[in-house]
Amino acid sequence: DAGVIQSPRHEVTEMGQEVTLRCKPISGHDYLFWYRQTMMRGLELLIYFNNNVPIDDSGMPEDRFSAKMPNASFSTLKIQPSEPRDSAVYFCASSLIGTSGSNEQFFGPGTRLTVL
Amino acid sequence: GNSVTQMEGPVTLSEEAFLTINCTYTATGYPSLFWYVQYPGEGLQLLLKATKADDKGSNKGFEATYRKETTSFHLEKGSVQVSDSAVYFCALSERGSTLGRLYFGRGTQLTVWP
Repeated sequence: DAGVIQSPRHEVTEMGQEVTLRCKPISGHDYLFWYRQTMMRGLELLIYFNNNVPIDDSGMPEDRFSAKMPNASFSTLKIQPSEPRDSAVYFCASSLIGTSGSNEQFFGPGTRLTVL
Repeated sequence: GNSVTQMEGPVTLSEEAFLTINCTYTATGYPSLFWYVQYPGEGLQLLLKATKADDKGSNKGFEATYRKETTSFHLEKGSVQVSDSAVYFCALSERGSTLGRLYFGRGTQLTVWP
């Protein structure tokens, strides 16, 4: 398996623009997570899905942020409008709980977002 | 609630030194415990885990023992290498309503000098 795939790897945009980050989880995984990492705030969970259904979005910082998972193999995180304080590395991760109860999350390489 | 506290970094060691990174947790039930590692420019990856009290997780020379009595899961390595330089995250997960979610500590930056 190719692992969790994220695109783009780097994004530079100007304040006020819409940004869309994409994630393809590992095939067969039933959980998908979006994280944000900054030096100041560390690693933050933004939202997670189980079987394509959002379970907890309490970490989404503002209404400017939205996430969707239209099917089991694709998710997006959208920021509209973007602001300089949104600059961070955004990670997508997936896991399979299933009957084993194993909770190992597999992380993608991240998208480094810079908002000017 | 669930939370993880790990020692603040950065930690700087010479090659072949002994490493300990402390981690304590608060949980409402009986969690599984994890250490993840993040190398520069990469995502996090699982280093080791333990699912019940007194279990020892081990991988790549790293070890951590699940201590329920002290609610701790300290990471140790007897002889670090330059290639171990990375950020290390302690994490926990629980069954129940938050099944699937990991609660991460703030991370500890380790730098190993030759």
